[in-house]
Amino acid sequence: DTAVSQTPKYLVTQMGNDKSIKCEQNLGHDTMYWYKQDSKKFLKIMFSYNNKELIINETVPNRFSPKSPDKAHLNLHINSLELGDSAVYFCASSPFWGTQDYNEQFFGPGTRLTVL
Amino acid sequence: QQPVQSPQAVILREGEDAVINCSSSKALYSVHWYRQKHGEAPVFLMILLKGGEQKGHEKISASFNEKKQQSSLYLTASQLSYSGTYFCGTHLGTSYGKLTFGQGTILTVHP
Repeated sequence: DTAVSQTPKYLVTQMGNDKSIKCEQNLGHDTMYWYKQDSKKFLKIMFSYNNKELIINETVPNRFSPKSPDKAHLNLHINSLELGDSAVYFCASSPFWGTQDYNEQFFGPGTRLTVL
Repeated sequence: QQPVQSPQAVILREGEDAVINCSSSKALYSVHWYRQKHGEAPVFLMILLKGGEQKGHEKISASFNEKKQQSSLYLTASQLSYSGTYFCGTHLGTSYGKLTFGQGTILTVHP
């Protein structure tokens, strides 16, 4: 029944390692997002894909690479992890909404990444 | 540019009311409100569009002042379940689905 799911829920790793977070939605939405929430709870969009096409690409280090194999999945791969990457990463999905449009976003449970 | 929320934190007793404000320096197309409980994902509350249209939960009320680019979320007769961090997200109407969230307002409701 889970609408937006993420794996893993917790990820603890050493600096310099490469890791991936996976996201899947069963809502039939066209658009998926990655957000980063830092220790101060600031929630910031990183990327968005619509039907496998990248439509939002914020100023994020190129160590972060999203991949969308199909419209129900959006993965986030992070190379050469740094201490500052420690955060909670949320995946979200919504029906597609254009510039003069709006829609509700459904968030996954989050992945807490800790870089040691 | 990130919208600014005020206050940063509110402490209430059950049954009391609260108002959370969200201000932007840019012209907005819509304002979105979300609530996040500790350790959980943000959950949608309401969308307010310029022109007055609203979409959201019946028990939540909010306003959007287009002239001032400000939105307010009204929480009346608060319940313990209202506790959490409230975020406003602003959409400028210039990019697909891009929300810029405020820093959050922590609401704590005590019995």
